[in-house]
Parts: sequence; C-alpha cells; structure tokens
Amino acid sequence: QSALTQPRSVSGSPGQSVTISCTGTSSDVGGYNYVSWYQQHPGKAPKLMIYDVSKRPSGVPDRFSGSKSGNTASLTISGLQAEDEADYYCCSYAGSYAGVFGGGTKLTVL
Amino acid sequence: EVQLVESGGGLVQPGGSLRLSCAASGFTFSSYSMNWVRQAPGKGLEWVSYISSSSSTIYYADSVKGRFTISRDNAKNSLYLQMNSLRDEDTAVYYCARVRVGANKYYFDYWGQGTLVTVSS
Repeated sequence: QSALTQPRSVSGSPGQSVTISCTGTSSDVGGYNYVSWYQQHPGKAPKLMIYDVSKRPSGVPDRFSGSKSGNTASLTISGLQAEDEADYYCCSYAGSYAGVFGGGTKLTVL
Repeated sequence: EVQLVESGGGLVQPGGSLRLSCAASGFTFSSYSMNWVRQAPGKGLEWVSYISSSSSTIYYADSVKGRFTISRDNAKNSLYLQMNSLRDEDTAVYYCARVRVGANKYYFDYWGQGTLVTVSS
C-alpha cells in the first residue's frame, strides 16, 4: 500500500488550534473506522494519541481530538502547548492485519 | 506497567542476517497480537509484520516478504524478527508494538524503545 498523505509541517502559537489532515483511499482510511494517531518526540518511541478515528486513550488530554470524512482523517489539537511540539503520524487499517502510516507531520509551536 | 524491550540490532553487511528480539512484561503476552514497525533515519513509520497471539496468523509487508520471518515464544514472553538477505533500505529503527485488533479496532497501544539496524558495507 502507498503511504497516507499528511502535510509535512504545521505550526501554531500557544493556545491556538491546529488540524493535521491524513488522506488515503477507499481501501484504507475510507474503508474502515480504524484510524489512529501517534505522537513522536525526537529520539523517542511513538505514543498513541487517538484510536478508532476519535477515541482517546486514558491519560491523553482532551485537547486532542480526531475525526474522519470520506478518505480523509483529521487530528485537531486545541489550546496548543509547548510540549505538543513533535511529529505526528496517522495510521489506518488496510486489510489483512496490515497498517499503513502517513508520512508524518512536524508540528511547531511558535 | 507494560514494557517492551527490543534488542539485537547492529551493523550488518548487505546480504547478511540479523535476529531481533522483543521482551514483553506487564501484561499477558500470550493474549495479544504483536507487530514490528520500522522507521528509516529521518523518515516515517512503516508497518513490517503482524503475528497473532497463537502464531496462527502471520502477515508481512511486501517490502520484506520472503526475507523476514516473525515468530514468538509465549512461554518466554518474547517476539522475534529474523531478517535475512538484508539490503541498504532495511536500515531503520525497528520497534515492536502491541496491536489491539479485532471487533471494531486496530491500533498500536504500546511500543518499545526501538533497536537500530544498520545495513552497510
């Protein structure tokens, strides 16, 4: 499968909101409600932030939210904080127990 | 506390082999499916392989099919990745990740810290 399409970078000031898009096809994002989002700080392992399109694991602030429309999923971070600066990756189920990731988006908090 | 600790990475020549291990603790390892995910230097994440809790179902990405073999030993709470015929493009940090898969779910809820594999002559 081809990687999902994410913007290479987004930015926002503290307190603002940003949205990161993730575009796939009807074979992955559009075909299943199994989109997840991961936060990765430099040199660290990815951390699950959103699963099944819009669910938040315990411990993840409610400033993080997810949605999906057709073949595009979105991660919105409201009330930006300095510690939100990181790389963010979307992932979708693509059938046959396989996942397909996006290319990643670097979030800069100005 | 769930912990996943990878080991076995290192420098290997093109065409060589390497075996990665992932030691799991803090959960009932035999009840969960597991995956390997890799990340080339400065690049994004790439799903590599899946194995079900009983090893009955196994899948690979096309990029590694026929060269990599995933396995697990539930008695030892361990996951493995045997990598043969390694290529330059296999250079990456390899993560083991627990996957929640089944009725209405598919996501990686816990990740190890990763082990670096460098393929170079």
